[in-house]
Amino acid sequence: EPEVTQTPSHQVTQMGQEVILRCVPISNHLYFYWYRQILGQKVEFLVSFYNNEISEKSEIFDDQFSVERPDGSNFTLKIRSTKLEDSAMYFCASSAQGTYGYTFGSGTRLTVV
Amino acid sequence: QKEVEQDPGPLSVPEGAIVSLNCTYSNSAFQYFMWYRQYSRKGPELLMYTYSSGNKEDGRFTAQVDKSSKYISLFIRDSQPSDSATYLCAIWGNFNKFYFGSGTKLNVKP
Repeated sequence: EPEVTQTPSHQVTQMGQEVILRCVPISNHLYFYWYRQILGQKVEFLVSFYNNEISEKSEIFDDQFSVERPDGSNFTLKIRSTKLEDSAMYFCASSAQGTYGYTFGSGTRLTVV
Repeated sequence: QKEVEQDPGPLSVPEGAIVSLNCTYSNSAFQYFMWYRQYSRKGPELLMYTYSSGNKEDGRFTAQVDKSSKYISLFIRDSQPSDSATYLCAIWGNFNKFYFGSGTKLNVKP
C-alpha cells in the first residue's frame, strides 16, 4: 500500500538552528500538508500546498516556517531559527484530490534543546 | 469556542467490552467527519469517515453523526487489546484542512 515517508524519524537540534524536515508524499497525490502535534496536545494544521504554492496556512505558520517542493518527489518543511516551543511531532500528509482522504506519514519528532 | 472538543480519557476497558468515543463540534457547516487511530509514535491512520447524519458500520466499528446536536461518536464492539491506541476525531470543514480533536487514549486489557 502506498505510504508517505518522512525523514528523519527523530531530530535533535539546538535552539536557534535551522532544521529541514523531509517528506516523500504518495506519488500521484497533488495536495500536501504539514501538521504538528505537541506532546499531549492535539494535532494542529500548519500549512497546505498545491500547485507549487501555499493554499492555506495557520497562525502557527509564521515567518520562521517555509515549505518547498524542490523536485518531483520531496516536500520539505523548514524552520529557520528553532525555538524550544517548536518541539513536537511533525506530520506530513498528502491527498489525491484535496479532500478528506489524507494519508499521513509516521512523523518526525523534533526536539529543540 | 474550540472547533472540536474530545474527552481525552484515558479510557480503560476489559477485552470484549463495547467502547464509546465521542466528540462535539461547533460549526454546523462542517461536512465530513472522520475517526483516526494513532499508535504511539506513529501518524494518524484513517479508520472511518462519514458525511451525513446516521450510522456507518465497518466490521466492529460504527461511526455515528448527529448533525442536529453537532455530536459524533465511534463505537467499537468486542474490543481487542490491539485496539489500544489514541482515537482522534477529525472534521473536514473548509479551506482544505482538518480540525482534530485532542484524542482519547484507549487501553483494552486482556
